[in-house]
Amino acid sequence: ETGVTQTPRHLVMGMTNKKSLKCEQHLGHNAMYWYKQSAKKPLELMFVYNFKEQTENNSVPSRFSPECPNSSHLFLHLHTLQPEDSALYLCASSPGRDYQETQYFGPGTRLLVL
Amino acid sequence: DQQVKQNSPSLSVQEGRISILNCDYTNSMFDYFLWYKKYPAEGPTFLISISSIKDKNEDGRFTVFLNKSAKHLSLHIVPSQPGDSAVYFCAARNHYGGSQGNLIFGKGTKLSVKP
Repeated sequence: ETGVTQTPRHLVMGMTNKKSLKCEQHLGHNAMYWYKQSAKKPLELMFVYNFKEQTENNSVPSRFSPECPNSSHLFLHLHTLQPEDSALYLCASSPGRDYQETQYFGPGTRLLVL
Repeated sequence: DQQVKQNSPSLSVQEGRISILNCDYTNSMFDYFLWYKKYPAEGPTFLISISSIKDKNEDGRFTVFLNKSAKHLSLHIVPSQPGDSAVYFCAARNHYGGSQGNLIFGKGTKLSVKP
C-alpha cells in the first residue's frame, strides 16, 4: 500500500458505542493530522501530532481521543458520540511541520452516529 | 467567522473552456495558499500552491493568481477537461502564531466540466 490509508471507510455507530478509526501513512512522514468535514462546512483541524507528540488540540470534545503510537500510525478513539458528530473524518500526513509542506490526505472514514 | 471563503458552491464549464475558481480570505497574516482537489470517495489531493511573495504560479493547465491587496486568489484551469470535475478547496496558512502551519480551508467549489 502507498500513501495514506484509513480504515474503516464507513462506520455506523450508536451513541453508546466505542469505536476507533485508524490511519496509516507509508510516506515516511513525521507529522499526522485528524480533520473533520461536516456537510456544507470547511475541513476543520482536530489534532496534530509531530514526531508522535500531540502539538495541537483544536478545542475538540473529550469524546474524541487521539492516539499516535508511532510516526506511521494514528488512531481516533470514539465514545459516547452525538448525532452531530456524523461527518467525514480525514487523516493527513506531512514530512514535518515546515509551514510550506504539503499535507497528503487519506480517503476518509464516513461516520454516521445514530 | 470564516477566514477563507469560497463563495461559489458550484461551477459548470464546457470542455475546452477556462474554469476560474475564486477564493477570498480575511486574515492578512496568511502568506501561503494551496488548492486541493477532491473526487468523491477520495481524500483531497494537493494541486498547486503559491507564496505571498509571488502573484502567479503556473503548473501545466493550472495557474493560481494571488492579489494580496484584495485578499483574493483564483485558480485557472485551461483547457478544462471532464476529468477535472471535482470539488476544489482553497486553503491558507499563517506562518506566525500559536497554530503555525495549520491549514484553514474554504468550503469548496464543485466544478463540473461538460463534454
